[in-house]
Amino acid sequence: NAGVTQTPKFRVLKTGQSMTLLCAQDMNHEYMYWYRQDPGMGLRLIHYSVGEGTTAKGEVPDGYNVSRLKKQNFLLGLESAAPSQTSVYFCASRASGVETQYFGPGTRLLVL
Amino acid sequence: GENVEQHPSTLSVQEGDSAVIKCTYSDSASNYFPWYKQELGKRPQLIIDIRSNVGEKKDQRIAVTLNKTAKHFSLHITETQPEDSAVYFCAALILTGGGNKLTFGTGTQLKVEL
Repeated sequence: NAGVTQTPKFRVLKTGQSMTLLCAQDMNHEYMYWYRQDPGMGLRLIHYSVGEGTTAKGEVPDGYNVSRLKKQNFLLGLESAAPSQTSVYFCASRASGVETQYFGPGTRLLVL
Repeated sequence: GENVEQHPSTLSVQEGDSAVIKCTYSDSASNYFPWYKQELGKRPQLIIDIRSNVGEKKDQRIAVTLNKTAKHFSLHITETQPEDSAVYFCAALILTGGGNKLTFGTGTQLKVEL
């Protein structure tokens, strides 16, 4: 039982490049979330999903897209990376009826 | 939307002393308040949580108190140890029609000095 995993751990992009971050969970959780963490700003919700095939916007969705084609995976895409998207990205998941969110190890992204 | 404020941003205590971190929230509909601990380079991990129908909850050296009227809640750590050094985040849960969304505070860097 690996819990929540994220791929990759670290990535450097040039402005304008695209990439996809992968979040996977093996706990059969319905809900999945993508956050970004910046110094002094805590964790801010980008997008979330309440189940396979569904997604919704969070607090800071601009510049990102998401997909939940399989229940266990939640993908975060950057179509045209900008330096302002330099951050640490955390994925989280939780079971239906339970408030506790479990976090992945994070992906550190640097956009030059 | 919900707004969560957390104070202080940094806190330094001597080993064995107590540490208190305070948070306020804006939406009276919030009913779940978790606290996460994040060590350097690691993921946030839940250490304790409280629901709005309870005023206080303890787990060994940590406790959380909730004042629904004033809309604030606090984390108390007693007999602090060096391994308590980390960033602590409070959060409040907003119930929405499509899924529960946590709003986080900006974090408190706790340093326990020997």
